Amino acid sequence: KQEVTQIPAALSVPEGENLVLNCSFTDSAIYNLQWFRQDPGKGLTSLLLIQSSQREQTSGRLNASLDKSSGRSTLYIAASQPGDSATYLCAVETDSWGKLQFGAGTQVVVTP
Amino acid sequence: SAVISQKPSRDICQRGTSLTIQCQVDSQVTMMFWYRQQPGQSLTLIATANQGSEATYESGFVIDKFPISRPNLTFSTLTVSNMSPEDSSIYLCSVRDLAEKLFFGSGTQLSVL
Repeated sequence: KQEVTQIPAALSVPEGENLVLNCSFTDSAIYNLQWFRQDPGKGLTSLLLIQSSQREQTSGRLNASLDKSSGRSTLYIAASQPGDSATYLCAVETDSWGKLQFGAGTQVVVTP
Repeated sequence: SAVISQKPSRDICQRGTSLTIQCQVDSQVTMMFWYRQQPGQSLTLIATANQGSEATYESGFVIDKFPISRPNLTFSTLTVSNMSPEDSSIYLCSVRDLAEKLFFGSGTQLSVL
């Protein structure tokens, strides 16, 4: 059974620092991996989707890498801002049917 | 991208009652998913709802407890039946677009007394 782990569970940084969030998964046979942001009362927002054949995806200040062989993905957020404060979730899709296995999340606080 | 409207946003219910959560999408989608997020936990998939067929439930979830309807390609409901305090969670619906990104509703915060 696929297990997804996120480290650290919580992270607090001053504004302007770069954020590094880690996600690991036990079964390398994945279809894709997605990073989400969760804000209280607002559900989840998809940030980046990396297909299994890709090694990274970028969107603005966000960059996510994927190393299937080692079962790892890393989300980098450059020049953090207080608005980046949220819980970040990593989710793995193991087939093409859209079912996701989520990690427990990393709660990020960016202080002004 | 898909825009999902989920209702109610929150509710407080008595033990033994049932609550139906609605999920409306602004475009036709083949598959809709229902997730549960228990306090302090991550999301767990309850079931996959396809239009015109019975929902497919994940291990640990049964139709009698979480009946799902999917009458058309833009709408689905999840009912939490015979509720107990252990059912207190956030329930979220999700859909997948053609680019295989998943979109989530804003969630239903359920508290059972």
